[in-house]
Amino acid sequence: KQEVTQIPAALSVPEGENLVLNCSFTDSAIYNLQWFRQDPGKGLTSLLLIQSSQREQTSGRLNASLDKSSGRSTLYIAASQPGDSATYLCAVPKAAGNKLTFGGGTRVLVKP
Amino acid sequence: NAGVTQTPKFQVLKTGQSMTLQCAQDMNHNSMYWYRQDPGMGLRLIYYSASEGTTDKGEVPNGYNVSRLNKREFSLRLESAAPSQTSVYFCASASGLAFYDEQFFGPGTRLTVL
Repeated sequence: KQEVTQIPAALSVPEGENLVLNCSFTDSAIYNLQWFRQDPGKGLTSLLLIQSSQREQTSGRLNASLDKSSGRSTLYIAASQPGDSATYLCAVPKAAGNKLTFGGGTRVLVKP
Repeated sequence: NAGVTQTPKFQVLKTGQSMTLQCAQDMNHNSMYWYRQDPGMGLRLIYYSASEGTTDKGEVPNGYNVSRLNKREFSLRLESAAPSQTSVYFCASASGLAFYDEQFFGPGTRLTVL
């Protein structure tokens, strides 16, 4: 059974510092990995989807890396801003039907 | 495009009452999903529909039923609500053209069962 873990559960950094968010998964036979952002009381916004054949994916200040063999993905957010404060979740699909298994999330606070 | 929309945004029910959560997407997606999010449990899949006319159980289907009304709409029904169903419910959709597609989520329905 796939298990997805995100450590730490919460993170606080001063504005301008780079953020490093970790996601680990137990079954390395994944097809892709998706990173989401969730603001308090809101739904999930898809940030990046990294295919299993890719080692990294970039969008603006965001960069996601994937190491299938070690069961890890890392989301880097460069030059953090207070607007980056949110919970970040990673998720991987199960074998059939694209059913996602989610990590517990990392709650990020960027202090001005 | 509105993306994925959900109604209602908030709902309070008494134990034993029934209700239907509505979800619609305007992205011409084939697959749709219902998740619930609980503190300490994360997001868990309740039911999904890989294409119009098909539905399947997820991890936590007990106490729920779904209907894929057409390609756009996927509803979740609680026949007899229980306090354990207090949660935030999210609907999602994906194109389904490739086997593992990016999922897009609605804003959620916050349900309290007293």
